Amino acid sequence: GENVEQHPSTLSVQEGDSAVIKCTYSDSASNYFPWYKQELGKGPQLIIDIRSNVGEKKDQRIAVTLNKTAKHFSLHITETQPEDSAVYFCAASGGSYIPTFGRGTSLIVHP
Amino acid sequence: DTEVTQTPKHLVMGMTNKKSLKCEQHMGHRAMYWYKQKAKKPPELMFVYSYEKLSINESVPSRFSPECPNSSLLNLHLHALQPEDSALYLCASSQDGVQGTDTQYFGPGTRLTVL
Repeated sequence: GENVEQHPSTLSVQEGDSAVIKCTYSDSASNYFPWYKQELGKGPQLIIDIRSNVGEKKDQRIAVTLNKTAKHFSLHITETQPEDSAVYFCAASGGSYIPTFGRGTSLIVHP
Repeated sequence: DTEVTQTPKHLVMGMTNKKSLKCEQHMGHRAMYWYKQKAKKPPELMFVYSYEKLSINESVPSRFSPECPNSSLLNLHLHALQPEDSALYLCASSQDGVQGTDTQYFGPGTRLTVL
């Protein structure tokens, strides 16, 4: 089955800095890669996703890049703000019926 | 509207109680999911319904019993739970779940505590 590795587990940045979270996957048949943000006491919220027919996607301060050859994808957040503090999960699906989640990254943005 | 609603928000129950969690979506989605999430861990899939039929049961103990009365509603019936079942229970929905590449939309969850 699919295996998704996510790094780092914790990321601490100063407000205004950039943050990068990286994920690798094992199943070459995976073709859909969503990123979720989960704030304390809430459910995961989709923030951006990418499908295998594109290499990069941007939405304001958030971008995702995908390298299918190397089987890795990354989340980039620019100009971080305290409200970006949350746990971020990557996921991969398509090869198996259901998405496989990474273990999560706790992002802390210090004002 | 990409909202999935869940009730109750919090639930405390004893090991002999019977309770139910409810989930609702009005996005016209035909796939609905139950996940269990422990603190500082990713969501773990429990059940998938596609077109109101149970399509995946991830070897979940029988003390958890899902039900999909119609395409908008999903219930999780709880009976004789153990303290280790305490967790955040998340509901999600997606277009149809057939290919596994649908975007899943999560509800806010029910925080369950079993005493």
